[in-house]
Amino acid sequence: QVQLHQSGPGLLKPSQSLSLTCDISGDSVYASKVAWNWIRRSPSRGLEWLGRTYYESAWHTDYAVSVRSRTFINADTVKNQFSLQLSSVTPEDTAVYYCARGFNSALDYWGQGILVTVSS
Amino acid sequence: DIVMTQSPDSLSVSLGERATINCRSSHIVTSCPNNKNCLAWYQQKPGQPPKLLIYWASYRASGVPERFSGSGSGTDFTLTISNLQAGDVAVYYCQQYSNPPEFTFGQGTKVDIK
Repeated sequence: QVQLHQSGPGLLKPSQSLSLTCDISGDSVYASKVAWNWIRRSPSRGLEWLGRTYYESAWHTDYAVSVRSRTFINADTVKNQFSLQLSSVTPEDTAVYYCARGFNSALDYWGQGILVTVSS
Repeated sequence: DIVMTQSPDSLSVSLGERATINCRSSHIVTSCPNNKNCLAWYQQKPGQPPKLLIYWASYRASGVPERFSGSGSGTDFTLTISNLQAGDVAVYYCQQYSNPPEFTFGQGTKVDIK
């Protein structure tokens, strides 16, 4: 059974960087035909996909256009986890952040979610 | 940008009755491998992450009851919940996958008991 467990701070000040980690159990960050995604949910924007990383002969990343310039997603192959970094946060980045596994063009396993609040 | 629009925004249904949720894409939904539609449905209950119900428009995810069914193609899709149970009270989202890679979600439909 695949399980994803998220960790990271829940409170940030404007202009700081958000950093979240998703630990994978029951699967490998190298798994074939699978991608590792970050999504957030906020009252104003609903569910919003942020980006993903996956391994297919080499590591690949894709980002949503809306956050591409300040987002970085990477995998830690030793710890079997992947991470999200979002720089220069504003109150608009306040949301519940989720990690999720992508398979068959859907998101089949999700982390528990972390509420991140950006406030001065 | 691709926009996914769900209707209605909320829905009240009696126990044992049928709930129907519609999802319309502003662009034809990408064809996935094997010519399937890249369209999924999720159920989200308060305090929980979304749960995958349907992928490829009409394929039930593992463990999902047969009461949940998906249909549609092109730009118009439907999630049907038959024999509504109290445990089905939740917000339901559609999601499409496009190229260049991006997941786009609908705004959600809240289902409760009449």
